[in-house]
Amino acid sequence: DIQMTQTPSSLSASVGDRVTITCQASQHISSHLNWYQQKPGKAPKLLIYDASSLETGVPSRFSGSGSGTGFTFTVSSLQPEDIATYYCQHYDNVPFTFGPGTKVDIK
Amino acid sequence: EVQLVESGGGLVQPGGSLRLSCAASGISLSNYWMHWVRQAPGKGLVWVSRINSDGSDTGYADSVKGRFTISRDDAKNTLYLQMSSLRADDTAVYYCSSGSYGSAGYWGQGTLVTVSS
Repeated sequence: DIQMTQTPSSLSASVGDRVTITCQASQHISSHLNWYQQKPGKAPKLLIYDASSLETGVPSRFSGSGSGTGFTFTVSSLQPEDIATYYCQHYDNVPFTFGPGTKVDIK
Repeated sequence: EVQLVESGGGLVQPGGSLRLSCAASGISLSNYWMHWVRQAPGKGLVWVSRINSDGSDTGYADSVKGRFTISRDDAKNTLYLQMSSLRADDTAVYYCSSGSYGSAGYWGQGTLVTVSS
């Protein structure tokens, strides 16, 4: 099975800061990667699919890049409503493993 | 408006069985791949299972393989997860989601399954 790691596990940033999260796959997964946002008590929300494609309706301050085994998720200008936990997930083959998550809060 | 509504969760004893349902409105599930994802209290997301748009292909996490069965009834526009031989570590909120092969743009609100004696 493919294992997913994320760094950092948590971060604090100021409003307007650029925030970057990295995700590493234990095997080559091409661009078969999602990024989800989850707020407390809520279902996850798809932000990015195919490593870099923005889901319809998602603000353009969110972006993703990478392929193979290394991926990056960026919030170009952190907003108060972006406080959440972010998860990467591969879908190269079953099982579609999630990363452990990165908790983002406001400094 | 698209809605996915899970039901069937509750308290069950270890070794017991439960069937979760996910009823859809606003979309026809026959056009989508469907997934179950779970989240233990205070923990991260765990992918559980998926089924393709015509029900001919299913996949499972190793931790539930042989115990859980995913299925769909397109006439009822409903997804199911039959869970058996339940263990304490199956305790979680279970979410259904719909989308493409690997990405899920629509999610339900989740249903809590508690396995305890």
